[in-house]
Amino acid sequence: GAVVSQHPSRVICKSGTSVKIECRSLDFQATTMFWYRQFPKKSLMLMATSNEGSKATYEQGVEKDKFLINHASLTLSTLTVTSAHPEDSSFYICSARRLAGGPMFNEQFFGPGTRLTVL
Amino acid sequence: EDKVVQSPLSLVVHEGDTVTLNCSYEVTNFRSLLWYKQEKKAPTFLFMLTSSGIEKKSGRLSSILDKKELFSILNITATQTGDSAVYLCAVDGLNTGTASKLTFGTGTRLQVTL
Repeated sequence: GAVVSQHPSRVICKSGTSVKIECRSLDFQATTMFWYRQFPKKSLMLMATSNEGSKATYEQGVEKDKFLINHASLTLSTLTVTSAHPEDSSFYICSARRLAGGPMFNEQFFGPGTRLTVL
Repeated sequence: EDKVVQSPLSLVVHEGDTVTLNCSYEVTNFRSLLWYKQEKKAPTFLFMLTSSGIEKKSGRLSSILDKKELFSILNITATQTGDSAVYLCAVDGLNTGTASKLTFGTGTRLQVTL
């Protein structure tokens, strides 16, 4: 159990276009999903926390108008990179936290990641 | 701001060697410390530590936490080439009034050679 999928696994796009990445919890319900970004040879940096049915909470320095997050159901969150630029090229990873256990429980299950390349 | 520092940044060892990876942290409202292994894709969970002095063990891997010194180590004995990966340390810090979140260290890149 506790499988998280991401789609697409890899995307290449032109500068100025928008890209949507999906994160799904396949066999459990997730009230909270997290979006991370990882640059080459760097660690995961939390971008935002996404709660089902409410607005996402963004980390300092992350532009909410550029990285749109929608968490419309207990199994799906989407990240849209709007007007992508080459500096947005990175590895984007989501994680999902189980509904069971309440808000104090923080076991996160990670998706396989999406590699975005903006030309 | 929560902070996690790992050392060394990278390490090359021969198969069969034992390695110790270090993680120190500063965090408000500490809840747990987690170790992950990352190969080419997303991190895979290794250990979650919440109490000082209690060793967690899984095969050749073990880890322990010192909450007084704000420090954890991950040991790998009899290393194999399949252990080559980036090992990430993360701390779960509970923010007042909100759900907790993970702060990751920069990772230790381990390469095991034949």
